[in-house]
Amino acid sequence: DQQVKQNSPSLSVQEGRISILNCDYTNSMFDYFLWYKKYPAEGPTFLISISSIKDKNEDGRFTVFLNKSAKHLSLHIVPSQPGDSAVYFCAALKYGNQFYFGTGTSLTVIP
Amino acid sequence: NAGVTQTPKFQVLKTGQSMTLQCAQDMNHNSMYWYRQDPGMGLRLIYYSASEGTTDKGEVPNGYNVSRLNKREFSLRLESAAPSQTSVYFCASSVQQGAGYEQYFGPGTRLTVT
Repeated sequence: DQQVKQNSPSLSVQEGRISILNCDYTNSMFDYFLWYKKYPAEGPTFLISISSIKDKNEDGRFTVFLNKSAKHLSLHIVPSQPGDSAVYFCAALKYGNQFYFGTGTSLTVIP
Repeated sequence: NAGVTQTPKFQVLKTGQSMTLQCAQDMNHNSMYWYRQDPGMGLRLIYYSASEGTTDKGEVPNGYNVSRLNKREFSLRLESAAPSQTSVYFCASSVQQGAGYEQYFGPGTRLTVT
């Protein structure tokens, strides 16, 4: 039972354009959401997060949007750079301890 | 400050063999986790430890045991390895930062069971 879903396995974007990665969740008990970036043969690294009491959080080129009514969050990367090419995981947190991850979206930024 | 370290990086086991994956963090985090990553499945939580002395099952605990040896170390044991346990295993630790949380991952252990 996948409680966090990333329905797009892959995404290709031209350098300089916007990348939008999407994530849906089913459990209304999730109260904190995170995005991670993963390069091959490395562990995931934290990118940006958002609390369920907010609808937007911005950090440089990265912005996360949360739509609680739709149980949907998205990560916007503007402008996209070739170094952003990686697998992106969204994760949701329950009770401060249990992280649930999506299946990941592989982003390719084309120079 | 090494963050989260895992040993070994690679391991090949025969069906039925046992082994322990080691994990240590030097960030003084209370919570530690073991995940497995399989193609098309994302990261799935095997076990976690909210604090020294406590452990809890995650989504996929069957076939695994864990030990929170102290605040720094959290090990994962496969008592009788099966081909279905072929995967990449990640250890992580987390800390609450103000109203938010951050989770840090080790580099992973690639395990093949033949």
